Amino acid sequence: QVQLQESGPGLVKPSQTLSLTCTVSGGSISSGSYYWNWIRQPAGKGLEWIGRFYPSGSTNYNPSLKSRVTISVDTSKNRFSLKLTSVTAADTAVFYCARGWAGDGGWFDPWGQGTLVTVSS
Amino acid sequence: QSVLTQPPSVSEAPRQRVTISCSGSSSNIGNNAVNWYQQLPGKAPKLLIYYDDLLPSGVSDRFSGSRSGTSASLAISGLQSEDEADYYCAAWDDSLNGYVFGTGTKVTVL
Repeated sequence: QVQLQESGPGLVKPSQTLSLTCTVSGGSISSGSYYWNWIRQPAGKGLEWIGRFYPSGSTNYNPSLKSRVTISVDTSKNRFSLKLTSVTAADTAVFYCARGWAGDGGWFDPWGQGTLVTVSS
Repeated sequence: QSVLTQPPSVSEAPRQRVTISCSGSSSNIGNNAVNWYQQLPGKAPKLLIYYDDLLPSGVSDRFSGSRSGTSASLAISGLQSEDEADYYCAAWDDSLNGYVFGTGTKVTVL
């Protein structure tokens, strides 16, 4: 079955760019049936959707993060990436990648295990 | 900036039934299907209910979902200790043109 795995630095300095990658196995990221999403969760808090990428090239971003976020896909390596610029301590969170159904409902399944990113000098 | 409101916590004895509400607006729940996620302690969220009331393969039929107007609810019957987790509702929001999650509800089995 499809599995997702996040990877990237666990520590990022304030004002720098956070970069994470999600590697997809067991299925093609080019499938037109799915979006590829990033979601984050600060410690002890709820889930926040960051944005998504569709294989056609279209993207949607959370309006509160839109000016700082870029999600891109590398189909040759079957993975997609997140870049979040000008980070502050408020961006410290566990970051999850998830596959999203592209039809009505848009549920997320499966999810990666998550990776903790701390913003600190 | 959750736009879907859930009770912070619910608790009940084993074998009883609990219901978790999820309140939204016409731009999200009022016009789009609701999905529910279960997050066990220290784990990634897992899809629990999709498209309002459908169960993914492998999910116990003790879980059920419904949607009416601008609200949705998740019910857990025959409560078990393994159900202790955080539960989140979620839906697409047409005004934000993005996906929104609920504030989350912690379920405790007494």
